Amino acid sequence: ILNVEQSPQSLHVQEGDSTNFTCSFPSSNFYALHWYRWETAKSPEALFVMTLNGDEKKKGRISATLNTKEGYSYLYIKGSQPEDSATYLCAFGNEKLTFGTGTRLTIIP
Amino acid sequence: GAGVSQSPRYKVAKRGQDVALRCDPISGHVSLFWYQQALGQGPEFLTYFQNEAQLDKSGLPSDRFFAERPEGSVSTLKIQRTQQEDSAVYLCASSLVLLAGYEQYFGPGTRLTVT
Repeated sequence: ILNVEQSPQSLHVQEGDSTNFTCSFPSSNFYALHWYRWETAKSPEALFVMTLNGDEKKKGRISATLNTKEGYSYLYIKGSQPEDSATYLCAFGNEKLTFGTGTRLTIIP
Repeated sequence: GAGVSQSPRYKVAKRGQDVALRCDPISGHVSLFWYQQALGQGPEFLTYFQNEAQLDKSGLPSDRFFAERPEGSVSTLKIQRTQQEDSAVYLCASSLVLLAGYEQYFGPGTRLTVT
């Protein structure tokens, strides 16, 4: 049974501050690590797919790093804005994905 | 272009009723996945298809759950004799190819409530 853990479960951040959270996954038999952003009543939005150890990806103010040897990925948000409020999910696997329970981020204006 | 769509968005069923949940994937996407998200949990894998072939159904919780994709496009997840524990959000995703490292694009989900 694959275990994907995310921390913290929830986070409140002042607008303009930067923040980061963690996804840990099994370090053996690595295939790919996905990050999704999920706003209430909307579709989960794919942020990044990471496949190589040491990968760093960036999309605007959001970036992610990957360490497959130790089994973790970090997601960073720089200069948080209210529209960043969402649940951030990571998922591990090849075709079928195993998800963590998510980090619920709330930006305080 | 159009994303993945699911219908209905919300479904209330009485215990014992049968339900059918529909997924329209992105046109041309070979792979289609179903996930179930219970309250407070992350999505959990149910089953996936490559074209019309169901390659893995190991995540289906019981034989009351059945999924099909007869023409390799639209898929239907059917739940027979619904139980309260079936209450969840059912997510569908599609992917261009069936390979690790390819993005899965999700629909908005169907929230099923069994009373």
